[in-house]
Amino acid sequence: GAVVSQHPSRVICKSGTSVKIECRSLDFQATTMFWYRQFPKKSLMLMATSNEGSKATYEQGVEKDKFLINHASLTLSTLTVTSAHPEDSSFYICSASAVPLYGYTFGSGTRLTVV
Amino acid sequence: QQQVKQSPQSLIVQKGGIPIINCAYENTAFDYFPWYQQFPGKGPALLIAIRPDVSEKKEGRFTISFNKSAKQFSLHIMDSQPGDSATYFCALSGGSNFGNEKLTFGTGTRLTIIP
Repeated sequence: GAVVSQHPSRVICKSGTSVKIECRSLDFQATTMFWYRQFPKKSLMLMATSNEGSKATYEQGVEKDKFLINHASLTLSTLTVTSAHPEDSSFYICSASAVPLYGYTFGSGTRLTVV
Repeated sequence: QQQVKQSPQSLIVQKGGIPIINCAYENTAFDYFPWYQQFPGKGPALLIAIRPDVSEKKEGRFTISFNKSAKQFSLHIMDSQPGDSATYFCALSGGSNFGNEKLTFGTGTRLTIIP
């Protein structure tokens, strides 16, 4: 089956620093990767969609300069939270898809805490 | 504008009972209807999904019922167990570009199965 690996699972950083989260499709090549943010006891909110080799498409209201997405290869996408602030603390989840074999497979999530 | 309405928000069922979670949507362009299970601190995992050309699909103890004319679909969990206690999300996607189209999630149902 399709496996998506997301690292780190937890990260604590100081306010003003940047944090990078990696999302890898381990046994398939992902045509598209998605990044979500989830607040406690809430649903998943799509932040952006990325295709390998092209710029990410951000959802309305998501700051492109704060949440940098790089989709360098068909198996790796990264989300960098730049100049993090406490309000960026959240659970971030990536998803990868590969048509037609696999639908949408999710990573295990990253708990970001900015202090 | 909420594209999918999920209910109930929370549900408590006795072991062995059949919890039912419902979702309703407006846009008839959606053609992929998955259900995801999420445990605390983890990413969502696909349980079962259905396309609009069938009215029901079963996989193990999980069943999706789909009513195209009413634009509703539901998840039934047979012989529920305490290990099924989790948050369940319906989702939908549409368009001809399956896998590259974003998933829209429901608001989630927190299910508790009591022994």
